Amino acid sequence: DVKVTQSSRYLVKRTGEKVFLECVQDMDHENMFWYRQDPGLGLRLIYFSYDVKMKEKGDIPEGYSVSREKKERFSLILESASTNQTSMYLCASLREPQETQYFGPGTRLLVL
Amino acid sequence: DAKTTQPPSMDCAEGRAANLPCNHSTISGNEYVYWYRQIHSQGPQYIIHGLKNNETNEMASLIITEDRKSSTLILPHATLRDTAVYYCIVRVDNTYSGNTPLVFGKGTRLSVIA
Repeated sequence: DVKVTQSSRYLVKRTGEKVFLECVQDMDHENMFWYRQDPGLGLRLIYFSYDVKMKEKGDIPEGYSVSREKKERFSLILESASTNQTSMYLCASLREPQETQYFGPGTRLLVL
Repeated sequence: DAKTTQPPSMDCAEGRAANLPCNHSTISGNEYVYWYRQIHSQGPQYIIHGLKNNETNEMASLIITEDRKSSTLILPHATLRDTAVYYCIVRVDNTYSGNTPLVFGKGTRLSVIA
């Protein structure tokens, strides 16, 4: 069975802290994605990666960076968390075009 | 920007078929239609996808019009657990040019009522 896991379901951090959100998939997929979801705005793409050490900016990359050192793991980094980064963060992966995109359960981040 | 238009909300009686429409009038010949749903506080879940022909799986059926400018997702016997936001997405075939992430719109909030 397909599995995308995220390191935390809920996270509370303080403004200015460095935050790491981890995503792991066990399907040997090349492509991985980070989205954030906010009420009224839907899912917005932050970054994606189509191979190890490769990354592409999505629609809203500002304030974020990513790391893809291994195929199965894609990390989202908030260098200096701000309150406007309070959101639900969703990781996803897929193997090839026309394959389905599988999502993790999400991490609900609160920045105080 | 999302290339699809969906009604913001719909109600459906439990046990009845839920028919969720989607307009994608600018769809290109190499774009697929995907449907996902998101149950509250969970990640989106894949339902079905298709290019031209109607598709059916254990979850739903997808009816695509002949001109491909619209489609309908059908949940044949809706249950309370089908209450969710349903997203219709078009995605290009990028077999030769890399991969394109899914672009989600606002979706349709389906409420299944007992």
